[in-house]
Amino acid sequence: QSALTQPASVSGSPGQSITISCTGTSSDVGGYNFVSWYQQHPGKAPRLMIYHVSNRPSGVSDRFSGSKSGNTASLTISGLQAEDEADYYCSSYTTSSAWVFGGGTKLTVL
Amino acid sequence: QVQLQESGPGLVKPSGTLSLTCAISGDSITNDNWWNWVRQPPGKGLEWIGQIHSNGMTNYKPSLKTRVTISVDKSKSRFSLDVNSVTAADTAVYYCARERCSGGSCNGFDNWGQGTLVTVSS
Repeated sequence: QSALTQPASVSGSPGQSITISCTGTSSDVGGYNFVSWYQQHPGKAPRLMIYHVSNRPSGVSDRFSGSKSGNTASLTISGLQAEDEADYYCSSYTTSSAWVFGGGTKLTVL
Repeated sequence: QVQLQESGPGLVKPSGTLSLTCAISGDSITNDNWWNWVRQPPGKGLEWIGQIHSNGMTNYKPSLKTRVTISVDKSKSRFSLDVNSVTAADTAVYYCARERCSGGSCNGFDNWGQGTLVTVSS
């Protein structure tokens, strides 16, 4: 069970949009619509941003959106703001009845 | 408001057993949720360890399954993690987290504890 593959870093200017990819296999991302995304600021616990590929929990800005195509899920953040600068992790349910996280992506707002 | 709080020793000797507890408030441990342990080595990414349901069912990360036990104490509204035969590679911040479920559908890890650092060292 390998970690999902995410880019190590992405960056964007305030107001722009960015997309973070999360690539797995047919045994995880491609096999289930149970992909979640988490935001983590330094020294803080992760925060759920997206669940079931594209659903936002109450309180999460609609600037955050999720999608999936085949074995790759994506998180898009539109209208970038300074407070979006954080680490982002995807996760997926797997055929082993387990969860697996991606390696994480550091978002820098320029 | 749901709150989770991890507790346990911050230092464990190599080859020993790491034991942590997560206290739950603001939610009933008997509800249809899964209760999880996730860890994060210093400067690295998140790693899911395992989960337990109030009915006692457990799921574990396959590569950790032989060393990990997760249990639940309904009377004290808490669940626990034991990791045996620890090495320096088990040094991490350990988080407990709730996977909220309702009507057979689960909706991500929506509540997390603040995390507790456990260092494995002699």
